Amino acid sequence: NAGVTQTPKFQVLKTGQSMTLQCAQDMNHNSMYWYRQDPGMGLRLIYYSASEGTTDKGEVPNGYNVSRLNKREFSLRLESAAPSQTSVYFCASSPGTEFREYFGPGTRLTVT
Amino acid sequence: DAKTTQPPSMDCAEGRAANLPCNHSTISGNEYVYWYRQIHSQGPQYIIHGLKNNETNEMASLIITEDRKSSTLILPHATLRDTAVYYCIVVMDSNYQLIWGAGTKLIIKP
Repeated sequence: NAGVTQTPKFQVLKTGQSMTLQCAQDMNHNSMYWYRQDPGMGLRLIYYSASEGTTDKGEVPNGYNVSRLNKREFSLRLESAAPSQTSVYFCASSPGTEFREYFGPGTRLTVT
Repeated sequence: DAKTTQPPSMDCAEGRAANLPCNHSTISGNEYVYWYRQIHSQGPQYIIHGLKNNETNEMASLIITEDRKSSTLILPHATLRDTAVYYCIVVMDSNYQLIWGAGTKLIIKP
């Protein structure tokens, strides 16, 4: 099992460009999450999907959209990137019955 | 969800037990205590969780005080690979969100 995979690993965007971060899990988990982590800080939840077909805002949703494409995949879209969105983005999944989350390796995004 | 307070950093000698404290004085009866760690910019890794009883697994032990206002994560024989940021999180079982603080940076010294 690959666990949680994320693509790409690194990305540099110019202000105003758009992109989609991809996340997939092969553990048949119900819940999936997108976090961002700025230097020296803890993770902040952007969006989550408690189950296939549902998505909800987290702590910092502004500037992002998400799609729960199916049970395996949960994508994060930046429609118009801003320098304030420079961060490391982590995707995670969990069975949904507890908060044991499994994390991907992260995407390091720089917006210039 | 209840907030947690952790020291920003701690040192521990290799081979000794590392005891990481966490205060959660406003915890309510149905809130769990979860511990994760993050090794140098990797994705966080689940360690252990508990409600009111002490818990032990292959990675660590979790000691929760009787009043549940604080807990301690114990790594029984710390190695250099345990150097990481450790996060203590309190969460209700009916909520879908983990609220992450800044954690404790644990440095294991040879």
